Amino acid sequence: GEQVEQRPPHLSVREGDSAVIICTYTDPNSYYFFWYKQEPGAGLQLLMKVFSSTEINEGQGFTVLLNKKDKQLSLNLTAAHPGDSAVYFCAVSPTSGGNYKPTFGKGTSLVVHP
Amino acid sequence: EAAVTQSPRNKVAVTGGKVTLSCNQTNNHNNMYWYRQDTGHGLRLIHYSYGAGSTEKGDIPDGYKASRPSQENFSLILELATPSQTSVYFCASGDEGWGAFYEQYFGPGTRLTVL
Repeated sequence: GEQVEQRPPHLSVREGDSAVIICTYTDPNSYYFFWYKQEPGAGLQLLMKVFSSTEINEGQGFTVLLNKKDKQLSLNLTAAHPGDSAVYFCAVSPTSGGNYKPTFGKGTSLVVHP
Repeated sequence: EAAVTQSPRNKVAVTGGKVTLSCNQTNNHNNMYWYRQDTGHGLRLIHYSYGAGSTEKGDIPDGYKASRPSQENFSLILELATPSQTSVYFCASGDEGWGAFYEQYFGPGTRLTVL
């Protein structure tokens, strides 16, 4: 089955710095890709979703890049601020419905220092 | 807005006791999921459901049962709780089909401690 490796497990940056989190997946049939953010004491919240046909998605202060050739998904926070401190998870899923079980990375704990 | 609620939010149980964690969603989603979150393991899927009356085993189902009596409700049952089941449990709902994107909506979590 699908395996997702997420790195780094911990990341500490200063306010204004960039932060990059990378997920590598194994199933070439994976089609839907997600980044979730988990703040302390809360559940996961969807940050960004991308399809196989989408290579770059931009949000508020971050960019998601999908490299299908290398089977890599990355989240780049361009100018981190303390409010970005959280645990980030990637999730990967195949195309077929009816048996939808996304595979999650193990998470990256990001700390942004003022 | 999509909403998934869990109860209780915190639970202390004794070894060998029965524990039921409840989840309710108002999204009218077909799919619901139970995960546990532990340091170093990320999120691990315990059970999931495609709709009322259905339950499926996830990646770590041993020691857990699930029940989906309605579209809105999905319960996780620990018949004989053990200390190794001390964890934070998350429920999620999600939909499928064209345009649904398959993203999941998570509840706030239940912190379970088994003594």
